[in-house]
Amino acid sequence: EADIYQTPRYLVIGTGKKITLECSQTMGHDKMYWYQQDPGMELHLIHYSYGVNSTEKGDLSSESTVSRIRTEHFPLTLESARPSHTSQYLCASSTSLGNTIYFGEGSWLTVV
Amino acid sequence: GQQVMQIPQYQHVQEGEDFTTYCNSSTTLSNIQWYKQRPGGHPVFLIQLVKSGEVKKQKRLTFQFGEAKKNSSLHITATQTTDVGTYFCAGYEFNNAGNMLTFGGGTRLMVKP
Repeated sequence: EADIYQTPRYLVIGTGKKITLECSQTMGHDKMYWYQQDPGMELHLIHYSYGVNSTEKGDLSSESTVSRIRTEHFPLTLESARPSHTSQYLCASSTSLGNTIYFGEGSWLTVV
Repeated sequence: GQQVMQIPQYQHVQEGEDFTTYCNSSTTLSNIQWYKQRPGGHPVFLIQLVKSGEVKKQKRLTFQFGEAKKNSSLHITATQTTDVGTYFCAGYEFNNAGNMLTFGGGTRLMVKP
């Protein structure tokens, strides 16, 4: 099993709050990703990073932002949460763009 | 851009029946990968296919990569309740545009005991 960790696993917050979802991997992977997934639905890439100081927007527009100051750490921030942000957020990493992607266990976010 | 389509979206089977999900890409792929996501879980890598016409087996699971490297299939023989979950294919096209691995929409498999 891969060494990629997400916190918190479950979070319920109020509208307008700021939230940061943490993601860390200990595999030394350069590439990291954030996917958004509603239950039982498809995976939507919202952010990715080629390496330190690199961040790119994915296919699905998102109001969240990311940073990559260290190789192992790729946090995602929502400045002002809304109910439409309720979803599961999956962090992932890989050695290169076409190689196997290792997913974290996910962060389930509910905005009330 | 690259698109990966997967059918069917849902499949209900009786335990012991076979199951197949199909994956089609709009472009020729460098490789294709398959992932399984259990209900409430996260996607887990199953296998990668690289060669044209490649066939790989994992116990009751058979994976195929088409000759043109634009389609793939996953076949499960004699399904069990432990096979329940969503199966995603993911295709990768190597080029200088820095393409990402593109996931299909997934096939959700439900198995009735």
